[in-house]
Amino acid sequence: AQSVTQLDSHVSVSEGTPVLLRCNYSSSYSPSLFWYVQHPNKGLQLLLKYTSAATLVKGINGFEAEFKKSETSFHLTKPSAHMSDAAEYFCVVSADTGGFKTIFGAGTRLFVKA
Amino acid sequence: GAVVSQHPSRVICKSGTSVKIECRSLDFQATTMFWYRQFPKQSLMLMATSNEGSKATYEQGVEKDKFLINHASLTLSTLTVTSAHPEDSSFYICSASQGSNQPQHFGDGTRLSIL
Repeated sequence: AQSVTQLDSHVSVSEGTPVLLRCNYSSSYSPSLFWYVQHPNKGLQLLLKYTSAATLVKGINGFEAEFKKSETSFHLTKPSAHMSDAAEYFCVVSADTGGFKTIFGAGTRLFVKA
Repeated sequence: GAVVSQHPSRVICKSGTSVKIECRSLDFQATTMFWYRQFPKQSLMLMATSNEGSKATYEQGVEKDKFLINHASLTLSTLTVTSAHPEDSSFYICSASQGSNQPQHFGDGTRLSIL
């Protein structure tokens, strides 16, 4: 079985300050992990992915995430928030459970204050 | 690269109408396409997975006769909401993938409103 938990339903930061969006996962298999961003009334855009290569993954728009197997975490970070980063972020886990199964987290809404 | 086009972006129609939503992968061949439904302020709920040339696999609780999925080619999948009712109003999103464990690339979604 597998699951994904986004620990915060919403996060608020000031522009120019660091961003941390937390994600914990559970999987009995070797999972791939993804972060997606969704702007209002839009589809999801892939930010970055982890697929068993380097544990520190760099994505688009200055985001990065570190896969920590011992902590079963895949937190998303960015050194300096921009107003355009305000959106909904989804952590996603995917693994071959006898057929690939993809599980979406509940999402974290990021607010960026001027 | 990896662009997915979803059309239409918004539909408003009367109860009882059938609505077709198209999902196209524009610059890659998608072996698998997914259809999701998203309620306000909630995550995506997978409705069904479709592979080109075979029947879609529906998630538990999703009516296959209500939500008809056709994946006729490696670049096109369609979702038809048959005899739509107000409770079918939602945001529907498709995605396409080039293979198992590959990232999904999403369309921009379709806002369906049934009056």
